[in-house]
Amino acid sequence: DQQVKQNSPSLSVQEGRISILNCDYTNSMFDYFLWYKKYPAEGPTFLISISSIKDKNEDGRFTVFLNKSAKHLSLHIVPSQPGDSAVYFCAASGGNDMRFGAGTRLTVKP
Amino acid sequence: EAQVTQNPRYLITVTGKKLTVTCSQNMNHEYMSWYRQDPGLGLRQIYYSMNVEVTDKGDVPEGYKVSRKEKRNFPLILESPSPNQTSLYFCASSFGTGGYGYTFGSGTRLTVV
Repeated sequence: DQQVKQNSPSLSVQEGRISILNCDYTNSMFDYFLWYKKYPAEGPTFLISISSIKDKNEDGRFTVFLNKSAKHLSLHIVPSQPGDSAVYFCAASGGNDMRFGAGTRLTVKP
Repeated sequence: EAQVTQNPRYLITVTGKKLTVTCSQNMNHEYMSWYRQDPGLGLRQIYYSMNVEVTDKGDVPEGYKVSRKEKRNFPLILESPSPNQTSLYFCASSFGTGGYGYTFGSGTRLTVV
C-alpha cells in the first residue's frame, strides 16, 4: 500500500529552466511533507519540508507547494543547475513513521 | 562532523548465515530508523526506535531484528538471511518525527546468495 506516490520515474530539464517534481499522497493524516535528494553511492539528504497547515515553503532556489484538497505536493527548483541532477524522494510524516515515494530521477542538461 | 555511520558498505553473504549491520550516530538524536530501498518501491521502513530500549516495527519487519541499548547505536540483525533480503539498506536518525529531516547513513548494499 503505497501511501506516497511519485508517478514520474524521470525528468529531464535544461540548465537555467524550472524543474517541477510532483508527489501525491493518500493519507490525510500526514502532518509534514519533506523532500530529499540522493546522489549515487550516498544516503538521501534532507532538502526542504512543509507543514500540512501551510501551502508554500521556500528556501533559496527550492520551493515546495502543498495542495491539501488534491493531496498533492510539488517541488520547484529555479533555476535548475547541473549539480541538481539526482534522485528526489518525496516523503510524508505522521505519527512515528515517515513514508517515502519511489523517487524521481532529475537530469539537468548543461 | 555530524553523521550517521553504517558498516559495512558492501556485503555478500550466503543464505542462513547470521549478520549484523551496524549504525551509529553522533548527534544525540533520539529517533533512529532502518529503511530498505528497492527499485520502484522507494524507501520502506523496517524498524524504528523512539529512544533507548524503545523499538517498533515499520512496514517490512519480517526477517529482521533490532536493538537500542545505547542512544547512539541501532544495529540491524538478520538472523537467517534469505535472497529476498538482497537490497540497499539505510540507517537514519533525527531529533524526532514530524517536520524534522532525517540524517541518513551512506547505505549498505547487501547481497544474499
